[in-house]
Amino acid sequence: KNQVEQSPQSLIILEGKNCTLQCNYTVSPFSNLRWYKQDTGRGPVSLTIMTFSENTKSNGRYTATLDADTKQSSLHITASQLSDSASYICVVNNDMRFGAGTRLTVKP
Amino acid sequence: KAGVTQTPRYLIKTRGQQVTLSCSPISGHRSVSWYQQTPGQGLQFLFEYFSETQRNKGNFPGRFSGRQFSNSRSEMNVSTLELGDSALYLCASSPRTGLEQFFGPGTRLTVL
Repeated sequence: KNQVEQSPQSLIILEGKNCTLQCNYTVSPFSNLRWYKQDTGRGPVSLTIMTFSENTKSNGRYTATLDADTKQSSLHITASQLSDSASYICVVNNDMRFGAGTRLTVKP
Repeated sequence: KAGVTQTPRYLIKTRGQQVTLSCSPISGHRSVSWYQQTPGQGLQFLFEYFSETQRNKGNFPGRFSGRQFSNSRSEMNVSTLELGDSALYLCASSPRTGLEQFFGPGTRLTVL
């Protein structure tokens, strides 16, 4: 069983709408959690990184939250744009435990 | 500062052949990791090199090998290619083991 689970697997929203992606993990001990954005056929690009003591971090329209007690993280995207269409991958710890990703499609 | 570069970007090979992929890390980064990404398995760790030494290895057969040069550039080799080796191969670099990794654009390998 994967120690990093992401939901939903895929998501379709209309341009301008907000959305929230989920990441639950069972990895222990926990050091940090990253959210990456990956455009089709390209390498992942880091959006945020949070350590145990941080519970929220923003990068423009992207806001990540972390609850280390419940081992849950979310990535909130505000006022979505067509360019947000991509896969969003949750990665736990520096030894890179990957979630399977959420495929987001933003439609006009 | 230039990012991670990978060559070639696209490659088509036939079963049984071998292939070598190249990765140039960000200047000053000494750790290079390789990943395989497929639609079915997602991102999977292949191996990590630091200062020309393999530090960690994922669960892949011996057909997958790599090396790192004194300038931190790294190569990955896959011998006796199988259809299932078709994937996006990603390289990531970091200043040293355990720090945030920065990914390259990947090499898309298709095995026919």
